[in-house]
Amino acid sequence: QSVLTQPPSASGTPGQRVTISCSGSSSNIGRNTVNWYQKLPGTAPKLLIDSNDQRPSGVPDRFSGSKSGTSASLAISGLQSDDEADYYCAAWDGSLNGYVFGTGTKVTVL
Amino acid sequence: QLHLQESGPRLVKPSETLSLTCSVSGGSISTSTYYWGWIRQAPGKGLEWIGSIYYSGSTHYSPSLKSRVTMSVDTSKNQISLTLNSVTAADTAVYYCARGFAGSGMDVWGQGTTVTVSS
Repeated sequence: QSVLTQPPSASGTPGQRVTISCSGSSSNIGRNTVNWYQKLPGTAPKLLIDSNDQRPSGVPDRFSGSKSGTSASLAISGLQSDDEADYYCAAWDGSLNGYVFGTGTKVTVL
Repeated sequence: QLHLQESGPRLVKPSETLSLTCSVSGGSISTSTYYWGWIRQAPGKGLEWIGSIYYSGSTHYSPSLKSRVTMSVDTSKNQISLTLNSVTAADTAVYYCARGFAGSGMDVWGQGTTVTVSS
């Protein structure tokens, strides 16, 4: 059971904005930066957001990340069919002394 | 361009040892600012961090796997290795190796290799 909790699913129509939450604690999100990964079936995960809100080179600015206290969020604006994927938050957990992934959120484009 | 490639047996018997290698090309693993991680995804499940290692040999392992996991680096071959002892069917998964910048997420990933634990 992950220490980072995400909603199992989220959905939207093309062009809409979708937000995914990631709830943690003081030992992980509360004191460390959050990363977000996109996972498409059959492909390796892709780093989408680094260090809470930084987009790696090549990631569209439709993706944005934020963090407040012990929670973080990923927003996808201008939703596209290609955005259908599983999204995972992740952070270092000082109590576990390890990196933890969130439970994952499946995004569906209606 | 950095490229990571996982390799190893696709089928492992229960109670035996799973051994995988991550071959790195297009760059050196002997860089203190990077770490190398192993991550897996069991069928129908989410991503699970197995552990990380720096080229110096410093390691961090998942608490749930710590008793069975060993990671090492071979700078002469530019490879990272993973061994997981006493495997069970629950260790059946796609195993990925990845690179991360110290204090940041993992930005370069291998394509993954599927390992099945079965007799």
